Amino acid sequence: GQNIDQPTEMTATEGAIVQINCTYQTSGFNGLFWYQQHAGEAPTFLSYNVLDGLEEKGRFSSFLSRSKGYSYLLLKELQMKDSASYLCALPSGNTPLVFGKGTRLSVIA
Amino acid sequence: DTGVSQDPRHKITKRGQNVTFRCDPISEHNRLYWYRQTLGQGPEFLTYFQNEAQLEKSRLLSDRFSAERPKGSFSTLEIQRTEQGDSAMYLCASSLGVGTETQYFGPGTRLLVL
Repeated sequence: GQNIDQPTEMTATEGAIVQINCTYQTSGFNGLFWYQQHAGEAPTFLSYNVLDGLEEKGRFSSFLSRSKGYSYLLLKELQMKDSASYLCALPSGNTPLVFGKGTRLSVIA
Repeated sequence: DTGVSQDPRHKITKRGQNVTFRCDPISEHNRLYWYRQTLGQGPEFLTYFQNEAQLEKSRLLSDRFSAERPKGSFSTLEIQRTEQGDSAMYLCASSLGVGTETQYFGPGTRLLVL
């Protein structure tokens, strides 16, 4: 089975740092993805974690703890264009990707 | 543009009509996926293909929905006898076709059933 939990909404200030959490339950783990989705647009790939630890990619970093069933996406130096939904997703059984409901981030001045 | 493309981008139809959507994946990608997304939700998996073979179908996919990928390139998703509950964004994605891998999404087809 698959259960993915993310906060529904978050608000942060331009220039700040925000952490978006994702907790999951899965019978078999094969990696975790983060996608960004602007309103009315398609999801775009941000990161993939399969081993524990932090993966850094510019202003965005993603962390994974397999033993805790936990991941987070860290966004630094927030910009207005970072206002979007952030989706946590995992493969599950025969389903290539199961998505969480997403976290809608609003960046304010 | 060598990304995933979808056609049409928008479709308005009346309840009971049939609609068909097309997806062209990234050219070297062997896997093609269909998802449905409604407001405030993440994408929900519908089905996927490895080349021309349909490997998995979600239990969400009623018998009014059918997808094909006859030559292992583009794919079509048909919805017969549309219902208002079918109104959603239909997303297509593709990937290379090896193990757990990144899927790249097209812009989607937004369907409104009146």
